[in-house]
Amino acid sequence: AQSVTQLDSQVPVFEEAPVELRCNYSSSVSVYLFWYVQYPNQGLQLLLKYLSGSTLVKGINGFEAEFNKSQTSFHLRKPSVHISDTAEYFCAVSRGNDYKLSFGAGTTVTVRA
Amino acid sequence: DVKVTQSSRYLVKRTGEKVFLECVQDMDHENMFWYRQDPGLGLRLIYFSYDVKMKEKGDIPEGYSVSREKKERFSLILESASTNQTSMYLCASRPTGRANYGYTFGSGTRLTVV
Repeated sequence: AQSVTQLDSQVPVFEEAPVELRCNYSSSVSVYLFWYVQYPNQGLQLLLKYLSGSTLVKGINGFEAEFNKSQTSFHLRKPSVHISDTAEYFCAVSRGNDYKLSFGAGTTVTVRA
Repeated sequence: DVKVTQSSRYLVKRTGEKVFLECVQDMDHENMFWYRQDPGLGLRLIYFSYDVKMKEKGDIPEGYSVSREKKERFSLILESASTNQTSMYLCASRPTGRANYGYTFGSGTRLTVV
């Protein structure tokens, strides 16, 4: 089984500043990696995913993530955040043809003016 | 646009009641999932179903059961609700054999057991 660790539970950030959310996973086999966002009182929405190929993945709303196989990491970044990016962010991993996604505990991003 | 619909956004139930949470998807997906979400714990898998009438336990199945009589509907049942089942419940679906697809989530049901 794989586990997912999101290293920061809360990240406060000022508007227009950059943000990085850290995610590490443990797995000895090839995995698929995902970042989801949850806005207040809503379900989860897919931000981006890494399947194979280029290690830099671009997603919606200006987010991007970099897959690092040697460090088993998949950190999420945005160069300039907006108030509307205030949300909870989840990193998730699935392995091969496994039915299940394993989720991290989540990182709450609060953007302040 | 694909959709996963959870019938209730908010529910308040009494301890000991039998509770049904309903989830319907219109994407013809074979796989459906129920998660609960708690602060600091992320999402934990309760049950999943890979096809009609098929179900498997997830990581925290105790106190729950499920029903999948039709492909589009996956019900979560709390046989006798307890206060420690107060939580946000999320339903999701995915096409079978598509681990690279990710899930489509419903908007969630926030259940309070009093």
